[in-house]
Amino acid sequence: DAKTTQPTSMDCAEGRAANLPCNHSTISGNEYVYWYRQIHSQGPQYIIHGLKNNETNEMASLIITEDRKSSTLILPHATLRDTAVYYCIVRGGSNYKLTFGKGTLLTVNP
Amino acid sequence: DAGVIQSPRHEVTEMGQEVTLRCKPISGHNSLFWYRQTMMRGLELLIYFNNNVPIDDSGMPEDRFSAKMPNASFSTLKIQPSEPRDSAVYFCASGPDGRPGYGYTFGSGTRLTVV
Repeated sequence: DAKTTQPTSMDCAEGRAANLPCNHSTISGNEYVYWYRQIHSQGPQYIIHGLKNNETNEMASLIITEDRKSSTLILPHATLRDTAVYYCIVRGGSNYKLTFGKGTLLTVNP
Repeated sequence: DAGVIQSPRHEVTEMGQEVTLRCKPISGHNSLFWYRQTMMRGLELLIYFNNNVPIDDSGMPEDRFSAKMPNASFSTLKIQPSEPRDSAVYFCASGPDGRPGYGYTFGSGTRLTVV
């Protein structure tokens, strides 16, 4: 699977949009981009995934660049409860395995 | 939907004792995963079941660890004998399909402490 690069940490003001970047320059054509998050002391939570097109659900939006080498997870109106470690993961082909890196610690400040 | 259910939430045991962790996946999901999380190593995949059959156990640390899935609604992870270095949070996850294009749902985890 392609390796991903994320910033170690980010801050966001409550009520503002949180934009979390992820680089995956070695992604191949059949690999999806997944985002999970882990709130302290809880299990990882699936947020969203995409292949080529931008995706939106009730939690977030996923913007994937045209060359698919990077993506951005957008939380449109961050709340204090969105403080968590956010993981960007690339998975594809016949690979069932989710490989978690260190992720980005997003801290939402009042 | 109750989600993925793990038990117990916390387990404290003495070194050398047998420990059994339990998982009930989401009904209808045919893929089940056991992960372990430590500060040093992060989240690691231990074993993957598909349709109750172990497909990949390459992440199981050693022979002290074993996992079973006797039916579609139940799985266990057993450590015998336990050691202090097994202290970690163990997560179970399930998914509708192991192929890409599907998200997995994780349980709340079992925090294991071996003293």
